[in-house]
Formats: sequence, structure tokens, C-alpha cells
Amino acid sequence: DGGITQSPKYLFRKEGQNVTLSCEQNLNHDAMYWYRQDPGQGLRLIYYSQIVNDFQKGDIAEGYSVSREKKESFPLTVTSAQKNPTAFYLCASSIGGGSSYEQYFGPGTRLTVT
Amino acid sequence: AQSVTQPDIHITVSEGASLELRCNYSYGATPYLFWYVQSPGQGLQLLLKYFSGDTLVQGIKGFEAEFKRSQSSFNLRKPSVHWSDAAEYFCAVGVGGFQKLVFGTGTRLLVSP
Repeated sequence: DGGITQSPKYLFRKEGQNVTLSCEQNLNHDAMYWYRQDPGQGLRLIYYSQIVNDFQKGDIAEGYSVSREKKESFPLTVTSAQKNPTAFYLCASSIGGGSSYEQYFGPGTRLTVT
Repeated sequence: AQSVTQPDIHITVSEGASLELRCNYSYGATPYLFWYVQSPGQGLQLLLKYFSGDTLVQGIKGFEAEFKRSQSSFNLRKPSVHWSDAAEYFCAVGVGGFQKLVFGTGTRLLVSP
């Protein structure tokens, strides 16, 4: 089955620790995205990547970092600099190349930092 | 700047009744428009999309939406709601040369028996 995998579903960390969220897709999509979702605020774009070894900041990139070393993988690191990291994080992908805006989403990771 | 407004935070509909969820967008060019649905604790699933052509688009699960350029709207409709439709619904517009989506803040649908 083709799709997007995010692991783990729930993640707990202590304040001051960096944490990396996994996102893998087997859809052969070029573009990948990370969103943060908070109650009442919809989805906000953190980072996106059009191709391997290239990525751009989204609207709320401060305190986050990403890498895109493989087409199928786009991990997100939440650093200790992120002031309010507790949230639901969603990864998405799209075909890319300007052919479609349609994004496919993973099941999400809920991060709780205490 | 591009934006999407979903004016209703919550809507309650009786099972079997019709549904309309409102979405207004702000974007200078011809928009690419989407409706997604999210069940609690889950990812988003695409319901339908509008790129061009017929302004009334059909989606999955019996949903449809109508693009009205004059009103900058893309409202989602369903003629008869089922209890399984209870979820959060997001409208989004595709912007820019690179496929970015701008999302509304969502409308939570509650279905009463």
C-alpha cells in the first residue's frame, strides 16, 4: 500500500531536549511538507522540500530543522529553541513539479513536552 | 496575502439533514481550492478539489462544493448528513509557484441523533 508513515504516534519529551519526528512516503512524490496543528489555528506550514537536498522555511520555521537526504524521507527536528513545542505534527507529500497542489497527509505525531 | 476564512468554528446538524460549510478565500489569481476532512487524532483526507472548469465539483462520501468567483467562496455541501460525518473540515487554497496550501482554521461538525 502506498502512503505516508509517521512515527511514533505519541511522543513525550522533557523540556530542553531535541526530538526528531519521522516521516516516510512510498508514493514516489518529489515534494514533502511539515505542518503544525494547534486547536483553533488550522494547519501552519513549518518547512517544505521540493526535491532531495533542498528545503525552504515555511511560516513558522523558528525552532525547527529538517533534512531531505532521501526522496522518501523528510525528518523534522524540534529543537530546544522552540518555545512551545507541544502540538500535533502532520507530514504531507505531493507529486511536485508544478503539476498538482494536491497533498496527501500522514496520520500525525502528537508531541508533548513537559 | 492569501488567506482562507471559515467563519463557523462549530456546526451542529441533525442526522439526515442537509449541510453547508462556508469557505471564503482571498487570492488574486485563479485559485486551486480544496476541502479536507480530519477525524480526531488522525491525518487529513482530501474530500474534493477545484482547479478549473465546472464550478460544481463532486467529491467522496457524497460531498460536493461550488466555486463562486464573484463571492470568493467555495462552500461544501452534503444533502443528507450521516453520524460518521462528524469530524473537522478544512478548506485550503493553493498559492504560489510552488504548491503551497494555505488552510482555514477549520469547522468542527457535530451530528445529533
